[in-house]
Amino acid sequence: LAKTTQPISMDSYEGQEVNITCSHNNIATNDYITWYQQFPSQGPRFIIQGYKTKVTNEVASLFIPADRKSSTLSLPRVSLSDTAVYYCLVGGLSGANSKLTFGKGITLSVRP
Amino acid sequence: DSGVTQTPKHLITATGQRVTLRCSPRSGDLSVYWYQQSLDQGLQFLIQYYNGEERAKGNILERFSAQQFPDLHSELNLSSLELGDSALYFCASSVDAGGANTEAFFGQGTRLTVV
Repeated sequence: LAKTTQPISMDSYEGQEVNITCSHNNIATNDYITWYQQFPSQGPRFIIQGYKTKVTNEVASLFIPADRKSSTLSLPRVSLSDTAVYYCLVGGLSGANSKLTFGKGITLSVRP
Repeated sequence: DSGVTQTPKHLITATGQRVTLRCSPRSGDLSVYWYQQSLDQGLQFLIQYYNGEERAKGNILERFSAQQFPDLHSELNLSSLELGDSALYFCASSVDAGGANTEAFFGQGTRLTVV
């Protein structure tokens, strides 16, 4: 099971673009990279998922370099409501050992 | 709204007691996952069921058990409760058995307080 490493926390200001990185040096060939967002006392919410290069949806972009050993979640023009914990997951689901494993996540604090 | 329903939202009980947490997955989802989240442990995977069968087991205590019923709803049973079992318990569901690109949908959680 690929392990992920993220910084513990980061700060930003409203209106800025925020880039959150995640390291996953042991990612397997068939692993996807998935990001979840969690607000206090709420369940995690799927943000975006990708395999390689760049993926964009209505809320974020995900950049994955060719070696896939890291990924960067990009949040354009953050607002106070983007203050949350962000989790990066890689693969981890296969056969009898399947499970969704969350790391510690990174706490993003957006200031006015 | 994720489509995953958990009941009850809050539960307060005494040490030594037994409780049952319930989860209804999104319509069409066959997998149910249970997680425990406490302040010092983060999100801990407990167990997964797929179409009624246990699929994967994580850090689930022997005092805890779960099952998934034919209608695909799931229950997590916690017995001989201890103060340290106080936590948020989340249920998630996915349409597949869990693959490299699974997207899971989480419920709002049940907050268990053991006094």
